[in-house]
Amino acid sequence: DAGVIQSPRHEVTEMGQEVTLRCKPISGHNSLFWYRQTMMRGLELLIYFNNNVPIDDSGMPEDRFSAKMPNASFSTLKIQPSEPRDSAVYFCASSPAVAGGLYEQYFGPGTRLTVT
Amino acid sequence: KQEVTQIPAALSVPEGENLVLNCSFTDSAIYNLQWFRQDPGKGLTSLLLIQSSQREQTSGRLNASLDKSSGRSTLYIAASQPGDSATYLCAVRPQGYSTLTFGKGTMLLVSP
Repeated sequence: DAGVIQSPRHEVTEMGQEVTLRCKPISGHNSLFWYRQTMMRGLELLIYFNNNVPIDDSGMPEDRFSAKMPNASFSTLKIQPSEPRDSAVYFCASSPAVAGGLYEQYFGPGTRLTVT
Repeated sequence: KQEVTQIPAALSVPEGENLVLNCSFTDSAIYNLQWFRQDPGKGLTSLLLIQSSQREQTSGRLNASLDKSSGRSTLYIAASQPGDSATYLCAVRPQGYSTLTFGKGTMLLVSP
């Protein structure tokens, strides 16, 4: 299995521009998570989906952030307009949600976003 | 609200030493606890997952223990090697939730 795939790996953009991050979860996993990692705050959950439906988006910092999961194999995280304080590494993770299972999360390599 | 703390924030040891990384959490109502490794500029790799009903898990030179009642977990690394140098993150999954709450990690440097 290829694991969780994220693109792009690096993104540099100017303040005010729209940024779209992409994630392909592991096939067969039906839970998907978006995290943000910064030196100051560590890893924070932004939003998670179960069976393509957003379950908890309480971690999304502002209305500038939005996430979609149109099907089981693809999700996007969009920031519009972007600001310098959005600079961070954004991780996507997926998990099999089998009743009584381990619910172990598998992480992608991350997208390093720099907003100038 | 669940909070996860990892001590120390950084650790430097010579090769061959046995070492212990600590993780504490404020709410003992957890479903499981997961230890991850993160190399610089990379994603997270799951090392060990302990269910709330378990006391420990072992994988090679790694041993993770869980004391749910006291809100503590330790990751023991035996005979450390330079290749163990990385940041180690602890995360708990609260009962009734599908999400993880992470500590800020311990940055480990093992020198030859």
